[in-house]
Amino acid sequence: EADIYQTPRYLVIGTGKKITLECSQTMGHDKMYWYQQDPGMELHLIHYSYGVNSTEKGDLSSESTVSRIRTEHFPLTLESARPSHTSQYLCASMRGGEVEAFFGQGTRLTVV
Amino acid sequence: AQTVTQSQPEMSVQEAETVTLSCTYDTSESDYYLFWYKQPPSRQMILVIRQEAYKQQNATENRFSVNFQKAAKSFSLKISDSQLGDAAMYFCAYRDRSNTGKLIFGQGTTLQVKP
Repeated sequence: EADIYQTPRYLVIGTGKKITLECSQTMGHDKMYWYQQDPGMELHLIHYSYGVNSTEKGDLSSESTVSRIRTEHFPLTLESARPSHTSQYLCASMRGGEVEAFFGQGTRLTVV
Repeated sequence: AQTVTQSQPEMSVQEAETVTLSCTYDTSESDYYLFWYKQPPSRQMILVIRQEAYKQQNATENRFSVNFQKAAKSFSLKISDSQLGDAAMYFCAYRDRSNTGKLIFGQGTTLQVKP
């Protein structure tokens, strides 16, 4: 399996809480991505990064924010969680110039 | 904008039999990549097979092969000699050749393998 890790795997949290979903990869990949996957639905890109200090918004509008201070780390933050944020969040990475993306196991977030 | 469509929400196959999952896409680009990803329950999504649009030859990886019809914008996945471990959700995905590397996914097909 690929060396990309997401924590936590599952999170149930109350409305209004601030949360950070962690994503780390040990492959030295410069590109990293966050996809949102609603149950039984396709994945949509919400954020991506070309490298350190680079962040871009994806195709699906999201209230979350991301940062890329280190190559291996790409955390996603929700300042105030709402039930509409309930979803699965998948992190992925890719080496520049290559084709294949590697995915983490995902974080399943439930906001109650 | 590019789109990917998988019209089969669920499929089932008997163990050792062959099954084909369908995918169509829309793009105005002439060169791009197409992928099939497998997402087992509660496990990492992994790449099954990929196709580069400029290559006319259909990609093959062991029991997995594709039927790439560029003019029809069709990209189906054939799984031969199905195994219980093939049970998963399968996503068709498109990527252009830009530097972003972002993937556009279809809705997914859940494959059930019956013993």
